[in-house]
Amino acid sequence: EAGVTQFPSHSVIEKGQTVTLRCDPISGHDNLYWYRRVMGKEIKFLLHFVKESKQDESGMPNNRFLAERTGGTYSTLKVQPAELEDSGVYFCASSQLGTGNYGYTFGSGTRLTVV
Amino acid sequence: AQRVTQPEKLLSVFKGAPVELKCNYSYSGSPELFWYVQYSRQRLQLLLRHISRESIKGFTADLNKGETSFHLKKPFAQEEDSAMYYCALINNAGNMLTFGGGTRLMVKP
Repeated sequence: EAGVTQFPSHSVIEKGQTVTLRCDPISGHDNLYWYRRVMGKEIKFLLHFVKESKQDESGMPNNRFLAERTGGTYSTLKVQPAELEDSGVYFCASSQLGTGNYGYTFGSGTRLTVV
Repeated sequence: AQRVTQPEKLLSVFKGAPVELKCNYSYSGSPELFWYVQYSRQRLQLLLRHISRESIKGFTADLNKGETSFHLKKPFAQEEDSAMYYCALINNAGNMLTFGGGTRLMVKP
């Protein structure tokens, strides 16, 4: 089966611009998670979708970040406007309903650099 | 609040030597802990979880609730074990992982 796919793998943008990251989960996985690792820090939870609904967005850093999952399939994470401190690696993961963490599959991540 | 600490950012050992990657946690509930590994140019993947008490690629980890630790061990390190290792704790809802800062393991020939 295809794994979790993230696009783009790298993105370099200027401060103030907008960037949209995309995550395609494994087909049939209703749970979708976003995490990020900023330079020198731990990997941190951003939010969790169950199908198209945001189950938990307690990790979203501020209102410059907007995540969507229309139709309960792929998800996008938009940063607008981007700031220097947003640089880091953004990970997406998916799992089947009811499996919690037992079935997490991570994508390769998107490395975002804001200059 | 839950927290995971990996005190070593880098651990360098020679091939064939024992390795122990330390992980300590704080959590008010009953903890469920995991080790994830990220090999060079590969995605983050689950290595093992304490609840299954398994050994994967020769690695084991025992949950010590008294010491709030979940150290990862392997008796004889191999060069292919070189990677980033992350200890993680999941919340009661089962939807949020808290990661440690990661330890880079380098196994020298």
